[in-house]
Amino acid sequence: QKEVEQDPGPLSVPEGAIVSLNCTYSNSAFQYFMWYRQYSRKGPELLMYTYSSGNKEDGRFTAQVDKSSKYISLFIRDSQPSDSATYLCAMSAIGTYKYIFGTGTRLKVLA
Amino acid sequence: KAGVTQTPRYLIKTRGQQVTLSCSPISGHRSVSWYQQTPGQGLQFLFEYFSETQRNKGNFPGRFSGRQFSNSRSEMNVSTLELGDSALYLCASSETGSNQPQHFGDGTRLSIL
Repeated sequence: QKEVEQDPGPLSVPEGAIVSLNCTYSNSAFQYFMWYRQYSRKGPELLMYTYSSGNKEDGRFTAQVDKSSKYISLFIRDSQPSDSATYLCAMSAIGTYKYIFGTGTRLKVLA
Repeated sequence: KAGVTQTPRYLIKTRGQQVTLSCSPISGHRSVSWYQQTPGQGLQFLFEYFSETQRNKGNFPGRFSGRQFSNSRSEMNVSTLELGDSALYLCASSETGSNQPQHFGDGTRLSIL
């Protein structure tokens, strides 16, 4: 079993929809959680960074962490065709200098 | 501020050769990490450097090695290339690497023939 599990998709939604992307993990030591967006032929771009449990909002993006369920989510409101990309979750434990990534979910937002 | 710069962007090598990839971090960032990205495995951690010292290493064979220079620039080397080494190699930097968000370059696409 992988430390971080992420549904690969593809996930297709109409423009304007609310998108929910999720990751589950098995290591209870993970304290830092990140979401990245990766376009084809580009490196991952940091979207959200959260510590421990709770919610964080930035524009159309909301990140949620539920440590009791070992489950994190990224919500995208008013999705746009430009949001079409692969979304990666990543997490790390204190003092490990190492990030574990999910395999990514491909999202397609249809105009 | 300039982002993370990786060179070259594309490389084609044959089995048995060796290759060196270069990474220049964001100015002021002293931690550099390397990842291998393949369609089947996703991003896998190779190693992390801070102040020229390797602090953590992933589960890769000894053919994969790296180093960091005093100006925080980093190189990774792969010797005796195998077909399975074909991948996108990504470099990421952060200020200290201690649970800080990492910023990625656009990677080096390595193809082994």
